Amino acid sequence: SQKIEQNSEALNIQEGKTATLTCNYTNYSPAYLQWYRQDPGRGPVFLLLIRENEKEKRKERLKVTFDTTLKQSLFHITASQPADSATYLCALGDRYRDDKIIFGKGTRLHILP
Amino acid sequence: KAGVTQTPRYLIKTRGQQVTLSCSPISGHRSVSWYQQTPGQGLQFLFEYFSETQRNKGNFPGRFSGRQFSNSRSEMNVSTLELGDSALYLCASSGSSGGPRETQYFGPGTRLLVL
Repeated sequence: SQKIEQNSEALNIQEGKTATLTCNYTNYSPAYLQWYRQDPGRGPVFLLLIRENEKEKRKERLKVTFDTTLKQSLFHITASQPADSATYLCALGDRYRDDKIIFGKGTRLHILP
Repeated sequence: KAGVTQTPRYLIKTRGQQVTLSCSPISGHRSVSWYQQTPGQGLQFLFEYFSETQRNKGNFPGRFSGRQFSNSRSEMNVSTLELGDSALYLCASSGSSGGPRETQYFGPGTRLLVL
């Protein structure tokens, strides 16, 4: 069956450390992967997109990697801050699913001061 | 540019009723997608409209329908509400002119509670 999985457990990270979130997928052929941030009671906010032919993408303190062999994307926040606390969603665009975007259920990240 | 707006923000309905939600995309965006978000199922794609035509549809029953107007504003309708329809309904707009939808800009959502 097709699955896109993120850590269901909340992740607690000490301020200043690097937070790493995982997104694994099964039986999809993503043309690209995206990461979004969602705060309680608000809509998701787009952060980064990485295409299938890219290994790594960076934006300020954020870094995303995409390994099509492992069928995995990693999302890193370096020098984490309490303001980074939120739920992070990964999403993929599967080339065989009429361009629908499929979301994972998200990982709740807590940055502890 | 103003962001995506959704109205109403909160709604309480009873089983069997119907509801209409509205979404105004970012100016110039022609694609509007609707999602249902629940704690158990996460964010699930309902449908996408582009230039007043439904371009994609998720796996939801026919009670869920939508439309898009010539100004790109979109409405979503749910008929014969069920308790399980309680969720946050999100709309997202993108500027895609026909290729893969990439960056989507989400509205704040409409929180629907069905009693």
